[in-house]
Amino acid sequence: DQQVKQNSPSLSVQEGRISILNCDYTNSMFDYFLWYKKYPAEGPTFLISISSIKDKNEDGRFTVFLNKSAKHLSLHIVPSQPGDSAVYFCAAMRHVFQGGSEKLVFGKGTKLTVNP
Amino acid sequence: KAGVTQTPRYLIKTRGQQVTLSCSPISGHRSVSWYQQTPGQGLQFLFEYFSETQRNKGNFPGRFSGRQFSNSRSEMNVSTLELGDSALYLCASSPNRARTRAFFGQGTRLTVV
Repeated sequence: DQQVKQNSPSLSVQEGRISILNCDYTNSMFDYFLWYKKYPAEGPTFLISISSIKDKNEDGRFTVFLNKSAKHLSLHIVPSQPGDSAVYFCAAMRHVFQGGSEKLVFGKGTKLTVNP
Repeated sequence: KAGVTQTPRYLIKTRGQQVTLSCSPISGHRSVSWYQQTPGQGLQFLFEYFSETQRNKGNFPGRFSGRQFSNSRSEMNVSTLELGDSALYLCASSPNRARTRAFFGQGTRLTVV
């Protein structure tokens, strides 16, 4: 049962335009969401996160939106740059009592290509 | 501050052999998680260790095991390797179990022939 879904395996956009990467989840207990970027032959690097108490978090060109009722989040990259070309993973988890958390659950990733 | 270090970077093994992968977390980080990445499957959670104890385990067969040492370094072991075990194995460390931000190593690329 895939609890975190990234339904678009790939996305291609022009440099300077907006990239929108989508992610859906099924577990309503998830309370924290993260986006990671991964280049070939490297480990994923943290990009941005959002807590379920918020509906938007912004960091420079990256904004994550969370729609809890739809169990949907999206990552917006504006403006897109060729260096943003990578695989983007959405991940979710829920915190448990006494400061711990359950495992991070990842989507299968979306390969973003930004064309010059 | 040094990042998460995984060794070796690349490994080729034969079916039936066993393998041990190593992960040194960021200094001061006590939580270490392991993931398997294969094409089309994304990152699949293997297990998490915190304070030398396994705290969470994914849906992998018992051939996959791990441990954590008192200095927080972790190893994972795969016995009786199968062709399907060929993957990128990633280790992530966090300061604590809240894991609001996990830092990944570059991974170990395991090829089973």
